[in-house]
Amino acid sequence: QSALTQPRSVSGSPGQSVTISCTGTSNDVGGYNYVSWYQQHPGKAPKVMIYDVIKRPSGVPDRFSGSKSGNTASLTISGLQAEDEADYYCCSYRGSYSWVFGGGTKLTVL
Amino acid sequence: QVQLQESGPGLVKPSETLSLTCTVSGGSINNYYWSWIRQPPGEGLEWIGYIHYSGSTSYNPSLKSRVTISIDTSKNQFSLKLTSVTTADAAVYYCARVGLSCAGDCYWTFFDSWGQGALVTVPS
Repeated sequence: QSALTQPRSVSGSPGQSVTISCTGTSNDVGGYNYVSWYQQHPGKAPKVMIYDVIKRPSGVPDRFSGSKSGNTASLTISGLQAEDEADYYCCSYRGSYSWVFGGGTKLTVL
Repeated sequence: QVQLQESGPGLVKPSETLSLTCTVSGGSINNYYWSWIRQPPGEGLEWIGYIHYSGSTSYNPSLKSRVTISIDTSKNQFSLKLTSVTTADAAVYYCARVGLSCAGDCYWTFFDSWGQGALVTVPS
């Protein structure tokens, strides 16, 4: 299974917005509205930030938002804060009761 | 709030079998799907497989020939076995609960709770 494609790194200054892309195929991202995004700080377990492309779990700030167009999903973080600096992973359902993750994106807050 | 905790040997020799257990507390293991996910050092996440409390399973095709996930509902635990390990299997192994999303119909679509992770080393 090929991983979903994410940029290796993105960066932004406090208060700015950044967008992280996640590109798959019609068999995963494009075929299902089941894309989720996970934040992982060093040495910690991942934490879900977005699920079903656009939904935010309780407790996740509304600065985090998701979208999808075709085979590419995106995570946008607005009003960047220092604590947003982390690795971010996308994940998509790809049918036959299986999931695939992206390679991860390192977000640096300048 | 449900909590998950991985346990098992931190060192597995090449060609041997990796065995890990995930203990679920703060909630029942019943009525959910449960997954194993791993992360090699400095790399991304890889979905390994899942098990339903009924015992039904699904595995990553790339690992399917070597993976077995089982469940013991009486102990609120589920387990992972990975045979014939190599150095490529060295990773932090996470157990996670599959989250249920409902909008009219309900589907299991994301991973809503994770364990802290267990580091497994395979020496060369």
